[in-house]
This record gives sequence, structure tokens and C-alpha cells, in this order.
Amino acid sequence: NAGVMQNPRHLVRRRGQEARLRCSPMKGHSHVYWYRQLPEEGLKFMVYLQKENIIDESGMPKERFSAEFPKEGPSILRIQQVVRGDSAAYFCASSWGPTGEQFFGPGTRLTVL
Amino acid sequence: GENVEQHPSTLSVQEGDSAVIKCTYSDSASNYFPWYKQELGKGPQLIIDIRSNVGEKKDQRIAVTLNKTAKHFSLHITETQPEDSAVYFCAASSGSARQLTFGSGTQLTVLP
Repeated sequence: NAGVMQNPRHLVRRRGQEARLRCSPMKGHSHVYWYRQLPEEGLKFMVYLQKENIIDESGMPKERFSAEFPKEGPSILRIQQVVRGDSAAYFCASSWGPTGEQFFGPGTRLTVL
Repeated sequence: GENVEQHPSTLSVQEGDSAVIKCTYSDSASNYFPWYKQELGKGPQLIIDIRSNVGEKKDQRIAVTLNKTAKHFSLHITETQPEDSAVYFCAASSGSARQLTFGSGTQLTVLP
């Protein structure tokens, strides 16, 4: 029973490039959450999605960031024109329902040069 | 919005002793309180959670207590072992806000 999967595990981008982070939820889970963790800090909520719908994006910056969870395939967090301040660990979590336990993936560590 | 405060930020205990980590929250509508353990380079792992309809929950060496009146909850680890060393995060959410609001974390070190 595979857990939440994220790839890539490490991603290096130069300023101005695009970063695409992928998340495959646990089997049977249709709710996905993205969180960002800066060094030495806790996790901050970014966006909550169900299949083909964004439910809550209140934690996501209005510019350069977008997320999707298509009917088929993984959820994607996309960061356009990355800046050094985007360097962080990005974690995806999934749950079976809106009030279910959230299980986290191993994260993608983004480094912007 | 919700705000979760966690302390201490670091905690060192001798192997076999108990460890207690405390969190307070601000939103009285919060009704779900999970605890996560994060090891270096890994994602947070859910270790125990409690909902607002109970005051205490226990799972082997780990227990969580909740005081809704005071809006605080605590993690208790008994008979600590070196493999318990990690960063522990508390979190809170309400039924209407699926997002988890995390505390700032506690670095627990269990000394052999």
C-alpha cells in the first residue's frame, strides 16, 4: 500500500525558470493539500484540491503559483519565474475525505540559484 | 485565522524519561488536533491525533490531552528512546477549514 509519492525529491532551478512539483496521493484518497516549509520553520498551508477542483487556495501567493489536480494523473504545483525566496521544502498530503487524517509525502526540496 | 503556539522549541531528555510538548490554539472552532514527527530529510509522519469530543487519547508510549476550555493540548511521550529524537509538530484545524495550521516545532533529543 504505497504512501503519498512526490517527485522530484530534489529540484534545482535558476532564477526565472519554472518549477513543476508532482504529487500522487495515497490509493483511495481524492483530497490533496500542498504545504511549504522554510528552513527551521513549521509547515504553511498553500492550497487544497479535490479532483479537478481547487477548494481553498488562500495560502498560495497570487502571482507565479498555480496548482491543479486533474481527473487523471498526479497533482501539480507549478511555480513560474522562480526567485530565491521560493527555495523551500514543498510537501503534499492526502486524505480520503475533507475531515480525514492527512498523510504526507517525502517532499520536494526546491533550490533556486 | 487560526494561530498555534508550540513550546518548548528544543527539549533534551535522558533515555527512559518522559517528554511533554505543549501547544495552544486561538480559534475556538478548531476541533481536530494531530501531532506529527519529522525526521531529518523526511516528510511529517502522523503519530497521534485527537478530536474535540474526547479529552485524552493514548497509543502505547504516546498520549495526547486536550483542554478545550483553555484551548491547549499536549503530547506526552513516556519511556523515551533514542529513536524518538526528531522534530515534533502540533497542528489544528476546524471542520470548515480543511487546512492544518502548524506550530513551529519542537526539536526533541533523547540522550542515551
